Amino acid sequence: EIVLTQSPGTLSLSPGERATLSCRASRSITYNYLAWYQQKPGQAPRLLIYGSSTRATGIPDRFSGSGSGTDFALTISRLEPEDCALYYCQTYGFPPGTFGQGTKVEIK
Amino acid sequence: QVQLQESGPGLVKPSETLSLTCNVSGYSLTSGYYWGWIRQSPGKGLEWIASINHGGYTDYNMSLKSRLTLSVDTSKSQFSLKLSSVTAADTAIYYCARGLGTNVRLFDFWGQGTLVTVSS
Repeated sequence: EIVLTQSPGTLSLSPGERATLSCRASRSITYNYLAWYQQKPGQAPRLLIYGSSTRATGIPDRFSGSGSGTDFALTISRLEPEDCALYYCQTYGFPPGTFGQGTKVEIK
Repeated sequence: QVQLQESGPGLVKPSETLSLTCNVSGYSLTSGYYWGWIRQSPGKGLEWIASINHGGYTDYNMSLKSRLTLSVDTSKSQFSLKLSSVTAADTAIYYCARGLGTNVRLFDFWGQGTLVTVSS
């Protein structure tokens, strides 16, 4: 089973700043089957990125994903107040479709 | 627009069976896709449970497989989850969701989630 480790645990930035979130896998992820989700309090996760770098439908272009193998990143180019949320990575190619433990993004 | 809604008891006694149903609107289950269950607890975070397609093909998280039963009823536009022999560790918010494209464990539309507490 692949273990995903996200860092940092919390990121506190000002509006307009750039946020970079990391997701590291315990072994290489086949075909870059790596996704990112955003979750706000009381809501279900929302798919942002899949295939490491493909934005899901309706996702603003300030969200971008990158990486391959074992190291992946989600970048929010210009933070907006509504980006305050928890962000999770997930590897979905094979069972058990592991999720990372999450990174909390706070807006100052 | 696809909408999903979970329903079922919010409280289940230890050793009993947790039963949840997901009602799907805005999309026909017979048209394809996988339909999945994911849960979220403070202790274990997000955890994929299992997925099923309209033909009844299933894929399970092996850690839960021995206790799981999934079914789909296309005439009612719903799919269901049964988890037997529950313990306090099964207390979580349970989400149903639609798979993206042909993916079994990647989800683009989610229900709002339902909290299930296992307690006597």
